[in-house]
Amino acid sequence: GAVVSQHPSWVICKSGTSVKIECRSLDFQATTMFWYRQFPKQSLMLMATSNEGSKATYEQGVEKDKFLINHASLTLSTLTVTSAHPEDSSFYICSGQGDLEKLFFGSGTQLSVL
Amino acid sequence: AQTVTQSQPEMSVQEAETVTLSCTYDTSESNYYLFWYKQPPSRQMILVIRQEAYKQQNATENRFSVNFQKAAKSFSLKISDSQLGDTAMYFCAFMKSHSGNTPLVFGKGTRLSVIA
Repeated sequence: GAVVSQHPSWVICKSGTSVKIECRSLDFQATTMFWYRQFPKQSLMLMATSNEGSKATYEQGVEKDKFLINHASLTLSTLTVTSAHPEDSSFYICSGQGDLEKLFFGSGTQLSVL
Repeated sequence: AQTVTQSQPEMSVQEAETVTLSCTYDTSESNYYLFWYKQPPSRQMILVIRQEAYKQQNATENRFSVNFQKAAKSFSLKISDSQLGDTAMYFCAFMKSHSGNTPLVFGKGTRLSVIA
C-alpha cells in the first residue's frame, strides 16, 4: 500500500525555536496533505489542509503565522512550528490523499517544547 | 458541519470474545464514507474498515465487521474473536465524498482493552 514517511518521529526543542516536520509520499502523488494535532488521550484535530502549489487552508483557531505549511511538490509537505512554546507540545500527524477517497497517514511526530 | 460521536470512552473484552464499539454521526450529505481506525500505542493510524454510504451491504474485514444503519446514522464496529493485539484506541471517522479532497472528521475515540 501507499506510504507516507514522516520525520522526525520525535523532537525536543527549547522555547522560542522553530521546528520543521516533513511528510513525504513515497509511492504516490499526494495532491492534498492534511495536518492534524493530537493532544494526550484526545482525538485528532485537523489543523490545516494544503494543496500542492497553493496556500494552505487553516482551521479556525489555528495560527497560520505560527504553523507554516509548505506543499511545494506532489511528494513533499512540511509543517514548521515557529517560535515554539510549551503549549505547542503535541503529537502532529500528516495524511496524504492518493487515490480518490483514500488517505494514508504518516507515523507522527511528538514535539516537546521545553 | 459533520460531527462524529463515540459514546464509549473505554471498553474491555475477554480474549476470544466479541465486542461492539458504537459510533453515530450527523450530516446532511447524501454521499460519504465512514471509517474505523485503530491507533495502537505506537500511535500509527491503521485503517480497520471502510464503508461507502451508498452501499447497503455492511463491510467486513476478517474479524472486523460493521453494522451500518444509514437512516439512524449509526456505524458500529464488531470485533470477533478478540485478540490481545486488538488493544488500542479506536476512532470512528467521517469523510464527505465529492470531487475535491476532504479531510476526515474523527470521533473522540474508544479505548479498547483485551484481557487475557
